[in-house]
Amino acid sequence: GAVVSQHPSRVICKSGTSVKIECRSLDFQATTMFWYRQFPKKSLMLMATSNEGSKATYEQGVEKDKFLINHASLTLSTLTVTSAHPEDSSFYICSARALLALEKLFFGSGTQLSVL
Amino acid sequence: GDSVTQMEGPVTLSEEAFLTINCTYTATGYPSLFWYVQYPGEGLQLLLKATKADDKGSNKGFEATYRKETTSFHLEKGSVQVSDSAVYFCALSDRAGNQFYFGTGTSLTVIP
Repeated sequence: GAVVSQHPSRVICKSGTSVKIECRSLDFQATTMFWYRQFPKKSLMLMATSNEGSKATYEQGVEKDKFLINHASLTLSTLTVTSAHPEDSSFYICSARALLALEKLFFGSGTQLSVL
Repeated sequence: GDSVTQMEGPVTLSEEAFLTINCTYTATGYPSLFWYVQYPGEGLQLLLKATKADDKGSNKGFEATYRKETTSFHLEKGSVQVSDSAVYFCALSDRAGNQFYFGTGTSLTVIP
């Protein structure tokens, strides 16, 4: 089946630094990638939708200057958490949608971000 | 707007017990419905899906039927195993797959 690779799986950083999370579709072209944030015992909160070659669309309440999303190719999207603060600590998950399977999402394994 | 309401957990069952996790939805139009599973330390995986009313999705012994009249998509399994311990998410999408909405997830623990 389709594979989405997300790195790193876990990152610890100091407050004020920036962290980049990568999401790659390994064996298919992902025209659209989604970034989610998952709080403990809560659902996935969609943060933004990114289409290859265009600016990401952010959900209401998500700071686009803080969560920078780049989708420069059909196989790679990145999420950069800028000037991270402890409240940004969370589990971030990306998903990718293949061109030929629009209703099917393939998820990365997630990144646990801890900001000290 | 569209939304998914899922029964809260956690759910703890003995091995071979019957499982039901309730899911109801609110949507305009004709959404597709999904169940995703998240095993410990892993990302979400598609478990099953149904794209129209009365469709039944099934996989690995799990089943769910798209009930338009009750706007439900309950997940069932006749005999759970320890390996089924995971978090289960109900989700819906619009026809084009442009938007996905997830329930809050239900944690299932199966004990031997």
